[in-house]
Amino acid sequence: AQSVAQPEDQVNVAEGNPLTVKCTYSVSGNPYLFWYVQYPNRGLQFLLKYITGDNLVKGSYGFEAEFNKSQTSFHLKKPSALVSDSALYFCAVRDGAGNNRKLIWGLGTSLAVNP
Amino acid sequence: KAGVTQTPRYLIKTRGQQVTLSCSPISGHRSVSWYQQTPGQGLQFLFEYFSETQRNKGNFPGRFSGRQFSNSRSEMNVSTLELGDSALYLCASSPVGAGSGNTIYFGEGSWLTVV
Repeated sequence: AQSVAQPEDQVNVAEGNPLTVKCTYSVSGNPYLFWYVQYPNRGLQFLLKYITGDNLVKGSYGFEAEFNKSQTSFHLKKPSALVSDSALYFCAVRDGAGNNRKLIWGLGTSLAVNP
Repeated sequence: KAGVTQTPRYLIKTRGQQVTLSCSPISGHRSVSWYQQTPGQGLQFLFEYFSETQRNKGNFPGRFSGRQFSNSRSEMNVSTLELGDSALYLCASSPVGAGSGNTIYFGEGSWLTVV
């Protein structure tokens, strides 16, 4: 079955340091992969997605993600973390076929950026 | 362009009651999806509607239902509420659905507390 995993419940990083939030997936066929961010008491906001093309995808707020087919990973990265990046991050992968396609979500990773 | 609008934002219901939540998608979007978010279970897919037809359904009991109107606005209903239904209910819209690779855009959610 298709699945997505975010192996870390929480990531802590100091402001100004690079950050990585990990995501691995399991799909048959070509994956469609997404990253979203959720700030406290808010809905989810789209950051970036990989459908096809370059393995390095650039998104909102300085975030980027690298699609690695051999490692079935789609890790989210940012060169220099800000305190305001502290939030809950979700990775998602498209599941199913035809009209039955839907997004499967990871359980989320809480990112804390310390001043 | 207005975003996805969900009403009400917060509500408290008693066990056994029923509740209706409303979602107005971004103008021009024909696909509306509903999710339940809880701390332990992450984002769980409820159902997706496209052009007034339910296109996909998650693994929730029949107490959870939805519909979509001709203007793409959607409602979801939960009957015979249980304590475990307490959650953040998120609505997301997209032009034709995430299965096509479209980005889906979320509303702020409706916080339901069942007492």
